[in-house]
Amino acid sequence: GENVEQHPSTLSVQEGDSAVIKCTYSDSASNYFPWYKQELGKRPQLIIDIRSNVGEKKDQRIAVTLNKTAKHFSLHITETQPEDSAVYFCAASRGGNEKLTFGTGTRLTIIP
Amino acid sequence: DAGITQSPRHKVTETGTPVTLRCHQTENHRYMYWYRQDPGHGLRLIHYSYGVKDTDKGEVSDGYSVSRSKTEDFLLTLESATSSQTSVYFCAISEEGGTGEKLFFGSGTQLSVL
Repeated sequence: GENVEQHPSTLSVQEGDSAVIKCTYSDSASNYFPWYKQELGKRPQLIIDIRSNVGEKKDQRIAVTLNKTAKHFSLHITETQPEDSAVYFCAASRGGNEKLTFGTGTRLTIIP
Repeated sequence: DAGITQSPRHKVTETGTPVTLRCHQTENHRYMYWYRQDPGHGLRLIHYSYGVKDTDKGEVSDGYSVSRSKTEDFLLTLESATSSQTSVYFCAISEEGGTGEKLFFGSGTQLSVL
């Protein structure tokens, strides 16, 4: 089955700087890659997703890039703000009705 | 909001006792999922359902069973709870019609097995 590895496990950045979280996947047939944000004590929430026919997707200060050849994808957060502090999870699946496999999470801390 | 409610929100139980967690949704979503969340492991799929009485196993299904007798309710049962099942349990539905994409999670159940 699919295996998703996520790095780093913790990340601290100064407010206003950029943050990058990287994930690699093992199943070359995977074609759907979502990112979830989980604030302390809250539920995970979908913040952005990308499909394999797209190399990059942006939504305001967040963007996701995908390298199918290398089988890795990344989350980029620019102009970080205190409210970006959370745990971020990447995931992968073959899309459609296929099950998601999650990475182990990255705890992002924004330093004021 | 996908209208998904989990109950109870917190539960403490003893080893060997049966436990049932309930997930209720109000928007007639076909796909429902149970995940557990543990430090260092992220979110792991326990079981999922793709319709009434249609369920299948996830990656960590041992020790768990599920039932879905109505579209709106998906129950997770620990037949004989063990300390290794202490975890936060999340129910989820797929907001993308009948697909497994765009999951929306419930608020979670914190389960402690002593």
